Amino acid sequence: GAGVSQSPSNKVTEKGKDVELRCDPISGHTALYWYRQSLGQGLEFLIYFQGNSAPDKSGLPSDRFSAERTGGSVSTLTIQRTQQEDSAVYLCASSLLGENSPLHFGNGTRLTVT
Amino acid sequence: AQSVTQPDIHITVSEGASLELRCNYSYGATPYLFWYVQSPGQGLQLLLKYFSGDTLVQGIKGFEAEFKRSQSSFNLRKPSVHWSDAAEYFCAVGSAGNNRKLIWGLGTSLAVNP
Repeated sequence: GAGVSQSPSNKVTEKGKDVELRCDPISGHTALYWYRQSLGQGLEFLIYFQGNSAPDKSGLPSDRFSAERTGGSVSTLTIQRTQQEDSAVYLCASSLLGENSPLHFGNGTRLTVT
Repeated sequence: AQSVTQPDIHITVSEGASLELRCNYSYGATPYLFWYVQSPGQGLQLLLKYFSGDTLVQGIKGFEAEFKRSQSSFNLRKPSVHWSDAAEYFCAVGSAGNNRKLIWGLGTSLAVNP
């Protein structure tokens, strides 16, 4: 079956612009995660969605970052007024219910802020 | 402090040689341990995981890992490396019911010489 799909695969934007990153999880996966992977750093947890529960936003680095998940499926991560330090690979992962279920990752969106 | 250390940033091995990638962790609770692999331009893929039971776990692609509580280690091994194993390898530790709070190592980049 189809894996986790992320779009776009690459995004170059000017500082100060807003960007939207999309994630389409594996069908039937109720849990969805966003991570950020910066050069020389480990994966950084951003936000977690589980079913209809309130999302865990504890990893979002600033109020410029937000995410939503519509209909329990597709998720969009929005970064407003992008800064150069936002340049990174943004990874989405989904999993079955059960917080130790293996994560299935998308190929990521490489964001470059110029 | 909770942390995961992958001491080797970069390793080069010859095809057919054996491989061991090191992972050491510092974690207050019973650790759940994971190894993920990231091929160029791809998302992360789960190689194997340890939750409990037999401390030697088998994974995909011929990989195995051994949990040694006394050494706080979870090293990844493969008896004979293939050129297609060239990738970035990440070790992660978490606790029961807490996937979103996985702590990730910085990764080990593996190059394979023909």
